Amino acid sequence: DAGITQSPRHKVTETGTPVTLRCHQTENHRYMYWYRQDPGHGLRLIHYSYGVKDTDKGEVSDGYSVSRSKTEDFLLTLESATSSQTSVYFCAISESGGRREKLFFGSGTQLSVL
Amino acid sequence: QQPVQSPQAVILREGEDAVINCSSSKALYSVHWYRQKHGEAPVFLMILLKGGEQKGHEKISASFNEKKQQSSLYLTASQLSYSGTYFCGTEDSGGGADGLTFGKGTHLIIQP
Repeated sequence: DAGITQSPRHKVTETGTPVTLRCHQTENHRYMYWYRQDPGHGLRLIHYSYGVKDTDKGEVSDGYSVSRSKTEDFLLTLESATSSQTSVYFCAISESGGRREKLFFGSGTQLSVL
Repeated sequence: QQPVQSPQAVILREGEDAVINCSSSKALYSVHWYRQKHGEAPVFLMILLKGGEQKGHEKISASFNEKKQQSSLYLTASQLSYSGTYFCGTEDSGGGADGLTFGKGTHLIIQP
């Protein structure tokens, strides 16, 4: 199994509070991704990173920011959480950006915004 | 734009066959297939690259028709362990944003 750890696994927070989710990998893979999964929508890309300090927006990036100061860590921040951000968040990694490469997913973080 | 998967859900008896389809409006470079069991992370099944290839993995195989921008996943003689949600993920040929664009998933239930 790929070494991907997401923390926390579960979090309940209140509307308007900041939240940071962490993804940690031990594979030294270059590419890291944050997806959110909602019923009826499947997996949607929030942000991705193609190297330290190199990040870009995905399909549903509004309300989210990311940072990658080390190869192994990719942080997802909700600056001011809203109820619409209640979701399951998955981190994924790949060695070379997805083309010809499979994604390895973390176990997910269940976030509830009340 | 998300690829369209069909059917949305299917219920089978153990030993029956299933086909799951994935269709995109964009020219595709590759199609990935993943399976997710309830409460778990998606797990990679296979990648198909443009060129119309077909791949197999035990009793699960897939095809990719790049001209039609379609892929199909075939599950033969289904087993109880095949239950879960199947997602296709696509990469378009335009070299756009990295990462896969996933369909909404197909729920597969295998009954004894």
